[in-house]
Amino acid sequence: KQEVTQIPAALSVPEGENLVLNCSFTDSAIYNLQWFRQDPGKGLTSLLLIQSSQREQTSGRLNASLDKSSGRSTLYIAASQPGDSATYLCAVWAGSYQLTFGKGTKLSVIP
Amino acid sequence: DAGVTQSPTHLIKTRGQQVTLRCSPKSGHDTVSWYQQALGQGPQFIFQYYEEEERQRGNFPDRFSGHQFPNYSSELNVNALWLGDSALYLCASSFRTGGYTFGSGTRLTVV
Repeated sequence: KQEVTQIPAALSVPEGENLVLNCSFTDSAIYNLQWFRQDPGKGLTSLLLIQSSQREQTSGRLNASLDKSSGRSTLYIAASQPGDSATYLCAVWAGSYQLTFGKGTKLSVIP
Repeated sequence: DAGVTQSPTHLIKTRGQQVTLRCSPKSGHDTVSWYQQALGQGPQFIFQYYEEEERQRGNFPDRFSGHQFPNYSSELNVNALWLGDSALYLCASSFRTGGYTFGSGTRLTVV
């Protein structure tokens, strides 16, 4: 059974800092990995999708990497802003038709 | 290009009642999945519909049922509501391995 762990559970940083969120998964036979953002009480916004054949994806200030062999992914956020405050969720698609999610990292960027 | 549309946004029901939630997928997507998200947790997979059939089901009781229509839209039905069914219900659409697009969710409160 696939399990996804996100560390840390919560993170508070001053505005302007670069930061890294971590995601690990137990079954390396994945089709893809997706990072989402969730604002309180809202739905999920897709940030980055990494296919199993890819090592990283970039969008603006966000960069996500994937190391299938070690079962790890990182989401790098450059020059953080207060508007980046949200919960960030990592999800993997592996073998079945469901996404398996971590519990998320709650990020607070302090002005 | 409209994303995933869910209705209603919020819903309050009494224990024992039945509820129907609706979802219209993103244009070009043919697969619809439903997730339940309790407070502070990652989304949990309920089931996925493809070609109007339930393709896979998560660990949810038969009180949870669904349907997919020829235009790919979908419904989630929950019978005999429990207090524990209170959650954010998320619909996601996809096409092959192109990643998932989520709606804004329906907040269900059972009293």
